[in-house]
Amino acid sequence: GAVVSQHPSWVICKSGTSVKIECRSLDFQATTMFWYRQFPKQSLMLMATSNEGSKATYEQGVEKDKFLINHASLTLSTLTVTSAHPEDSSFYICSARDILRGAPETQYFGPGTRLLVL
Amino acid sequence: SQQGEEDPQALSIQEGENATMNCSYKTSINNLQWYRQNSGRGLVHLILIRSNEREKHSGRLRVTLDTSKKSSSLLITASRAADTASYFCATARDNYGQNFVFGPGTRLSVLP
Repeated sequence: GAVVSQHPSWVICKSGTSVKIECRSLDFQATTMFWYRQFPKQSLMLMATSNEGSKATYEQGVEKDKFLINHASLTLSTLTVTSAHPEDSSFYICSARDILRGAPETQYFGPGTRLLVL
Repeated sequence: SQQGEEDPQALSIQEGENATMNCSYKTSINNLQWYRQNSGRGLVHLILIRSNEREKHSGRLRVTLDTSKKSSSLLITASRAADTASYFCATARDNYGQNFVFGPGTRLSVLP
């Protein structure tokens, strides 16, 4: 149980294009999802907290107009990297909380999406 | 200030040996969690220890928490090659357990 999926698992795009990454909770409802970015051999950095039906809360230094987050349902959150540039190349990971089972403080992570911007 | 700083940053051991990783943090916490990440993959939750707990076990894993020193350790006993991964500790910035702050992680290599 508590499975989180991401799609796509990897994407290569040209500079200036937009890329959408989906995060789905497969067997539970997630009122809150989180988006992280991880550069090679580094730790995860929280980008934003996504709440179903409301605007996302962005961490300091994360441009909300560049990283658009939509959490339209209890099982789906999307991250759109707009006008992507090579410096946006990274590993993007989402997580979700299952408040109905397990410890509410635990987050379940997706497998990640590797983005390469040429 | 950064929460959740692990040491060592990299650790290589032989199969069968024990591996110990440490994590330090700076502010008060409600709980501390350990996660494992295989190369290029997502994170897998290993164990959660609450601030009123001192030690917790799960299979070959043993986690300790010393709130007076603001530190935690993760011990993996009888390591296996499959334990090769990066291990992160995470603390929450708020009382609801959200907004994780991850340490830089320890890259563990278990050699056969």
